[in-house]
Amino acid sequence: SAVISQKPSRDICQRGTSLTIQCQVDSQVTMMFWYRQQPGQSLTLIATANQGSEATYESGFVIDKFPISRPNLTFSTLTVSNMSPEDSSIYLCSVRRPMNTEAFFGQGTRLTVV
Amino acid sequence: DAKTTQPPSMDCAEGRAANLPCNHSTISGNEYVYWYRQIHSQGPQYIIHGLKNNETNEMASLIITEDRKSSTLILPHATLRDTAVYYCIVRVAISGNTPLVFGKGTRLSVIA
Repeated sequence: SAVISQKPSRDICQRGTSLTIQCQVDSQVTMMFWYRQQPGQSLTLIATANQGSEATYESGFVIDKFPISRPNLTFSTLTVSNMSPEDSSIYLCSVRRPMNTEAFFGQGTRLTVV
Repeated sequence: DAKTTQPPSMDCAEGRAANLPCNHSTISGNEYVYWYRQIHSQGPQYIIHGLKNNETNEMASLIITEDRKSSTLILPHATLRDTAVYYCIVRVAISGNTPLVFGKGTRLSVIA
């Protein structure tokens, strides 16, 4: 299994501000994935973060709104920029180990924008 | 990845078997069936996966039809802690460079 530490677990933020979410993995992984889960909905992939290169964003998500850093093989951050109430969601990071078909998830960051 | 169809919700009495169906009629020969669940306020958790043979582990059993167009996840003795959203995902079992794509899942409510 993989241990993923995600911080903060929850936050309440003012609109117009930004929040950076951290994801730390207990071992090196090539790819880290960021998801958003809006209230009552399933998980939607935001982007894939590969160490040493720019993240790849899914349709509907842009780097200016969700900048991602991946400075090494065990750490990544997702920033939610210029927040509005519509950004209120749970944000999750996920990894898959090489040669392992399971995916592992952090506990999520519950963001409320007021 | 092949598309999956699951009922939006199901109820199950505590102590009884919970049988969660999934249709994946367009599954390809090299695609596996994966099941994950998400308990409220937690990240999704892997349960089990299989290709064409039935599989069993400490959490659940996976029954895949002979034509592989559908499958059933079985929780043999459901408890209140099994209340969660269960996701059936079909994908090729390759290395860790591709993300999971989630459908809407089935919300299982285990009732005392």
